[in-house]
Amino acid sequence: DGGITQSPKYLFRKEGQNVTLSCEQNLNHDAMYWYRQDPGQGLRLIYYSQIVNDFQKGDIAEGYSVSREKKESFPLTVTSAQKNPTAFYLCASSIAPGRSYEQYFGPGTRLTVT
Amino acid sequence: GENVEQHPSTLSVQEGDSAVIKCTYSDSASNYFPWYKQELGKRPQLIIDIRSNVGEKKDQRIAVTLNKTAKHFSLHITETQPEDSAVYFCAASPSGGGADGLTFGKGTHLIIQP
Repeated sequence: DGGITQSPKYLFRKEGQNVTLSCEQNLNHDAMYWYRQDPGQGLRLIYYSQIVNDFQKGDIAEGYSVSREKKESFPLTVTSAQKNPTAFYLCASSIAPGRSYEQYFGPGTRLTVT
Repeated sequence: GENVEQHPSTLSVQEGDSAVIKCTYSDSASNYFPWYKQELGKRPQLIIDIRSNVGEKKDQRIAVTLNKTAKHFSLHITETQPEDSAVYFCAASPSGGGADGLTFGKGTHLIIQP
């Protein structure tokens, strides 16, 4: 089913707690991305990584952190500094910059912070 | 940065009729324009894309047109069917190739009336 997995599907946390969302791909893709989706909104880019051990901030990186220690994994941590963390989080990957443009999405994690 | 505007936000058409969704973008350097379909609670899936060296692309009932001078592109769905009901997102790649992530429009909820 696309080779990108995200876990868990639903996540509940108390305000003030950090939480890490998992994203794994077995497509041998170089580039990986994190997007946030709010109701009635498009997807907004949080962070992206074109290669292992390197990542860049997207449009709404404040309050989030990432790591890319392995090609197949790109976890996202939502920190307590994120003002409105409740959202649907989508991870995506693409083969490599310049080789293919298509981004493949994971099934998403719906995070609720109360 | 890139800004993508999408219209309309909701579109209701009779089954069998055509549907047109329009997007404009701001960054003249953008050269990749994908369209994604997202069903409720599911991941976005690529349905068609176009690169800036092409003015039109067609895939069965779906077509996309691009006007680089005016910086707008459109999705055309002909002979609409109930399974076309979903939210459609346009996107643009500000750096070319999607390597730095995509900038999305806010989406169009397409409703196919039986």
